[in-house]
Amino acid sequence: AQSVTQLDSHVSVSEGTPVLLRCNYSSSYSPSLFWYVQHPNKGLQLLLKYTSAATLVKGINGFEAEFKKSETSFHLTKPSAHMSDAAEYFCVVTGTGGFKTIFGAGTRLFVKA
Amino acid sequence: DAMVIQNPRYQVTQFGKPVTLSCSQTLNHNVMYWYQQKSSQAPKLLFHYYDKDFNNEADTPDNFQSRRPNTSFCFLDIRSPGLGDAAMYLCATSSGEGVSYNEQFFGPGTRLTVL
Repeated sequence: AQSVTQLDSHVSVSEGTPVLLRCNYSSSYSPSLFWYVQHPNKGLQLLLKYTSAATLVKGINGFEAEFKKSETSFHLTKPSAHMSDAAEYFCVVTGTGGFKTIFGAGTRLFVKA
Repeated sequence: DAMVIQNPRYQVTQFGKPVTLSCSQTLNHNVMYWYQQKSSQAPKLLFHYYDKDFNNEADTPDNFQSRRPNTSFCFLDIRSPGLGDAAMYLCATSSGEGVSYNEQFFGPGTRLTVL
């Protein structure tokens, strides 16, 4: 069975400080993992993806994530938050060997000036 | 640019009046999805098409139907909308290879209001 848990429903940071959004997953198969961002009243945009290549994945807008199999984690980070990063972020797992895409509950990122 | 297009962006319907939402894509992806997203919640998968094969989620109400007349277009039909069906509806596409599904590309969504 597959599952994904986003450990924080809300994260608040000051502009220019680091961002950490946490995601743990459970998968019986070799997972593909994704982070998506959703701005208000918009569709979801892919930030980055892990598909069993390099464990440190770089994405758009300065975001990156590290796949840690031993910790079953795929946390999203950014060195310096920008006001435009304020949005909802979803961690998603998709397993091979059968279709099932599981969304985390989402983490709302607030960025203070 | 290749993209996923949803029309209309905003749809208002009356309680019980059938409504159709449309999605088109220029990515030539063989998999198309429909999601329902309510306020402050994660998207909930309603169903997806793998090529012409329709895959319904077990908990999707019968009130929701879908059609995919060709690779580029997919429709979501809500036969008798209730107040609880007011939500954002997201269309997504991906390229499927065998049992492997790649990342999904999302449209901007259609915001449905039920009066």
